[in-house]
Amino acid sequence: QVQLQESGPGLVKPSETLSLTCTVSGGSISTYYWNWIRQPPGKGLEWIGYIYDNGNTNYNPSLKSRVTISVDTSKNQFSLKLISVTAADTAVYYCARRVGVMTPFDSWGQGTLVTVSS
Amino acid sequence: DIVMTQSPDSLAVSLGERATINCKSSQSLLVISSNKTYFAWYQQKPGQPPKLLISWPSTREPGVPDRFIGSGSGTDFTLTISSLQAEDVAVYYCQQYYSTPYTFGQGTKLEIK
Repeated sequence: QVQLQESGPGLVKPSETLSLTCTVSGGSISTYYWNWIRQPPGKGLEWIGYIYDNGNTNYNPSLKSRVTISVDTSKNQFSLKLISVTAADTAVYYCARRVGVMTPFDSWGQGTLVTVSS
Repeated sequence: DIVMTQSPDSLAVSLGERATINCKSSQSLLVISSNKTYFAWYQQKPGQPPKLLISWPSTREPGVPDRFIGSGSGTDFTLTISSLQAEDVAVYYCQQYYSTPYTFGQGTKLEIK
């Protein structure tokens, strides 16, 4: 059974870059769609974007100008970079898998809280 | 963007009773050519990630108890828990995967009365 694990700094200063990595274990990163989703404390879920194993990406227009998702198939990892962060970017960040182009999120990481504060 | 609107925002139901959560999408999630509806329900317990319960929108994931029933089509969907158990206390989210940006409902908090 595939497992996903987020990692990265839990505290980022305003205007700096948030960087997270999701490590996929128990299965290959190939042929699936790998997503980032975030959830501000006490609030709902926001899809950030996805990457396919060939590097094709699709981002939420609300964040597109600040987001980059990349993949390293040799390490079975994919990553999120969000630039110019503000307090509004404070959230639990989840990585999640979709098995096809139009399918639900069937596997999720445990999530990691990133706080934006000086 | 497709807007997903859930009702109610919160719900308290007695153990063993039925719980019903509704979700409405701002446009149809049915693709006629494939006859598929791109809609799902998730359950999120405190401190945990969301868990996929039901998709397509009535197909339960393996291991999901049959008291969880998904129904609906087009723009209107319902999650029914036929006999509420203590472990069902959670926030439930609906989601569309018809088009990007994928969007979720605001969540419905389900508690025991």
